Amino acid sequence: GAGVSQSPSNKVTEKGKDVELRCDPISGHTALYWYRQSLGQGLEFLIYFQGNSAPDKSGLPSDRFSAERTGGSVSTLTIQRTQQEDSAVYLCASSLGPGRLYEQYFGPGTRLTVT
Amino acid sequence: GDSVTQMEGPVTLSEEAFLTINCTYTATGYPSLFWYVQYPGEGLQLLLKATKADDKGSNKGFEATYRKETTSFHLEKGSVQVSDSAVYFCALSVNDMRFGAGTRLTVKP
Repeated sequence: GAGVSQSPSNKVTEKGKDVELRCDPISGHTALYWYRQSLGQGLEFLIYFQGNSAPDKSGLPSDRFSAERTGGSVSTLTIQRTQQEDSAVYLCASSLGPGRLYEQYFGPGTRLTVT
Repeated sequence: GDSVTQMEGPVTLSEEAFLTINCTYTATGYPSLFWYVQYPGEGLQLLLKATKADDKGSNKGFEATYRKETTSFHLEKGSVQVSDSAVYFCALSVNDMRFGAGTRLTVKP
């Protein structure tokens, strides 16, 4: 079956522009997660959704970052007025449910480069 | 808050050597523990997991035991292969998932 998909796979943008990153989770997965992986760094948790609600937004690095999920499926991560430090690989994952018992399945990521 | 600390890399071993990558955690609740692996040019995939104390997760010759008393989940393999070269991430989950910084393993023939 289809895994988690993300688009675009690569995005190059100029500093100050807005970008939208998309994630399509595995069908039937109610929980969806966004992470950021900077060069040589581990994975930084950004936000997770249970259904369309985001119980924990504490990982979003600034108010330039926002995310939404509609129909309990597709999610969009938006970065406004991009900065060079936003350059990273943005990973999306989904799981059958939230919490400790459920494995997360990861998408291939979107590599964002801010010039 | 919840966090994971894992052994810093990079780690370079010869084929058939014994591997240990240390991982310790801090959690406010009762977490599940995971090891994820990222092979070159590929996405993250689950290697193994354990959901309660004293459980042992195993896969592809790798093992890790959930030690609540030492808050650890060290990854071991008795004989590594070149194909094991990858970045390994320790992670814990109570509600969301928190990852360690990753350890890059290179196995030389």
